[in-house]
Amino acid sequence: AQKITQTQPGMFVQEKEAVTLDCTYDTSDPSYGLFWYKQPSSGEMIFLIYQGSYDQQNATEGRYSLNFQKARKSANLVISASQLGDSAMYFCAMREDSNTGNQFYFGTGTSLTVIP
Amino acid sequence: EPEVTQTPSHQVTQMGQEVILRCVPISNHLYFYWYRQILGQKVEFLVSFYNNEISEKSEIFDDQFSVERPDGSNFTLKIRSTKLEDSAMYFCASSRGAYQPQHFGDGTRLSIL
Repeated sequence: AQKITQTQPGMFVQEKEAVTLDCTYDTSDPSYGLFWYKQPSSGEMIFLIYQGSYDQQNATEGRYSLNFQKARKSANLVISASQLGDSAMYFCAMREDSNTGNQFYFGTGTSLTVIP
Repeated sequence: EPEVTQTPSHQVTQMGQEVILRCVPISNHLYFYWYRQILGQKVEFLVSFYNNEISEKSEIFDDQFSVERPDGSNFTLKIRSTKLEDSAMYFCASSRGAYQPQHFGDGTRLSIL
């Protein structure tokens, strides 16, 4: 089974509107962390937001918020007030804290295009 | 804002040759990582490094690969006897702690001919 699943290969959003990028994860470990990264066409990876499995509240960073639903094992990224510069690939990632150590997994990504 | 820097940005190497990819992590970070991303595919974890030794590695990180922190600032990934399928973008990342967000460098694009 995939550790991280991103079911939306491509998404379009109108400028200034909000968009939700889906991410589900699979782990049996109680301790884990979830990350979202942005990869523009230039190729660099930019950290956006982090949610720990024990965090009580959903993480927020500026226009980014993480809709963390632990029972559903989902960690969707919400981008509010989309901007043209938000057009990029977005990767959901997980750090899994097992007895044998930490492993890191990335999803296949969602390509977001912001339309003016 | 401090950032992770990687050199070179693009490396072209003949198959069978050895290549060393260099990274300077953020100075107060203690954990270092290498990832690779084959063109058009997802990012794959290779190895994590802490306290001058490998803390975790994936199945991809076999005997062909090695990492080193030769001095107080650099963190290197060595790939011996390169193969065509080693062509990828290689990202270095660092984090302050094991459970802190990882900050990535801009990557080194490795092309094996």
